Amino acid sequence: AQRVTQPEKLLSVFKGAPVELKCNYSYSGSPELFWYVQYSRQRLQLLLRHISRESIKGFTADLNKGETSFHLKKPFAQEEDSAMYYCAPNRDDKIIFGKGTRLHILP
Amino acid sequence: SAVISQKPSRDICQRGTSLTIQCQVDSQVTMMFWYRQQPGQSLTLIATANQGSEATYESGFVIDKFPISRPNLTFSTLTVSNMSPEDSSIYLCSVVRGPLQETQYFGPGTRLLVL
Repeated sequence: AQRVTQPEKLLSVFKGAPVELKCNYSYSGSPELFWYVQYSRQRLQLLLRHISRESIKGFTADLNKGETSFHLKKPFAQEEDSAMYYCAPNRDDKIIFGKGTRLHILP
Repeated sequence: SAVISQKPSRDICQRGTSLTIQCQVDSQVTMMFWYRQQPGQSLTLIATANQGSEATYESGFVIDKFPISRPNLTFSTLTVSNMSPEDSSIYLCSVVRGPLQETQYFGPGTRLLVL
């Protein structure tokens, strides 16, 4: 079955420490992969997509086809990074969301 | 980016009634999507709404319960029919934009509480 897995429901990280939010997918072929973020009381918004290989707000994500992973990383966490993060593959023009990981940055 | 508005922003409804949610986009888009986000859960795709054709529903969702209209390229409605408390959720409209239709933007959501 095609699915995306975010194994951590909650991740607490100290300010200044590195962050890694895990995402594994089990889609055949080459899905497009995205990370979406939802800050408190704000609407869901695109953080980054793998095809552009960009860095947004210090976050990067590398697609590892061998491991079928698309982990989100940031070298130094900031308090404003506290939010809900969703890994989302786009397959057949539909975006399917993982269960999400709540990132909590500790002062 | 895309400017997406939804009406109503929130509502409290009685069991057995129906509510129609409107989604308006600031420019024409081919594909529109309706998602549901139940309390403490991730987003679940309900259906894809394309102009000029019937909506395509995901597994677990049926047209009788969630009828969708897509009269033009900037507007869609989702109706939640014969509501029960289990339908209490945030309902989100979404559109795809970008040169490769690769970026999805979301509306602010409609927060529904069914008593």
